[in-house]
Amino acid sequence: AQSVTQLDSQVPVFEEAPVELRCNYSSSVSVYLFWYVQYPNQGLQLLLKYLSGSTLVKGINGFEAEFNKSQTSFHLRKPSVHISDTAEYFCAVYSSASKIIFGSGTRLSIRP
Amino acid sequence: GAGVSQSPRYKVAKRGQDVALRCDPISGHVSLFWYQQALGQGPEFLTYFQNEAQLDKSGLPSDRFFAERPEGSVSTLKIQRTQQEDSAVYLCASSSTHPSGSDTEAFFGQGTRLTVV
Repeated sequence: AQSVTQLDSQVPVFEEAPVELRCNYSSSVSVYLFWYVQYPNQGLQLLLKYLSGSTLVKGINGFEAEFNKSQTSFHLRKPSVHISDTAEYFCAVYSSASKIIFGSGTRLSIRP
Repeated sequence: GAGVSQSPRYKVAKRGQDVALRCDPISGHVSLFWYQQALGQGPEFLTYFQNEAQLDKSGLPSDRFFAERPEGSVSTLKIQRTQQEDSAVYLCASSSTHPSGSDTEAFFGQGTRLTVV
């Protein structure tokens, strides 16, 4: 069965500092991986996705993620965060059973 | 509309009451998903429709939960005899094809926050 683990429930960083949100997945088959962002009282918005090809995926709002098959990871990074990046971030994997499975989320808080 | 619309945004139900949550997907979207998101958790899959066909309902937690999409557009999630553990945000998403496709994604609504008292 496919699953996603986000080890960090909260990540506090200072404004303009770099950030990495960690995600590890388990799957015995080819994977499709996603990062979603959820702003307060909002639905989920797709940041980026990895389906195949280049392991470095660029998304919206300056975020990028790198697919690492040997480490089964798909960490999200941004070189310089802004106050507006304060949100909950969810890593997800597409299950071959036609469903997207989400991690438990990482709350990113930006300090001025 | 421009996006996925869910109503009501907030619902308070007394324990034992039946509730119905509505999802208006983006026009023409084939796939529709329902998720349950408990406080502080990630969304948990409930069910998936392709047009009017419910292809996967493995995530529905009990037979008190029922979803339908009779004409392949609007969907309703019904919860009978609500319990306190049903309190959560219920998210609906739609996609023009399956969201794993290279040229598409799943668009989420803002959710319905259900509180059972």
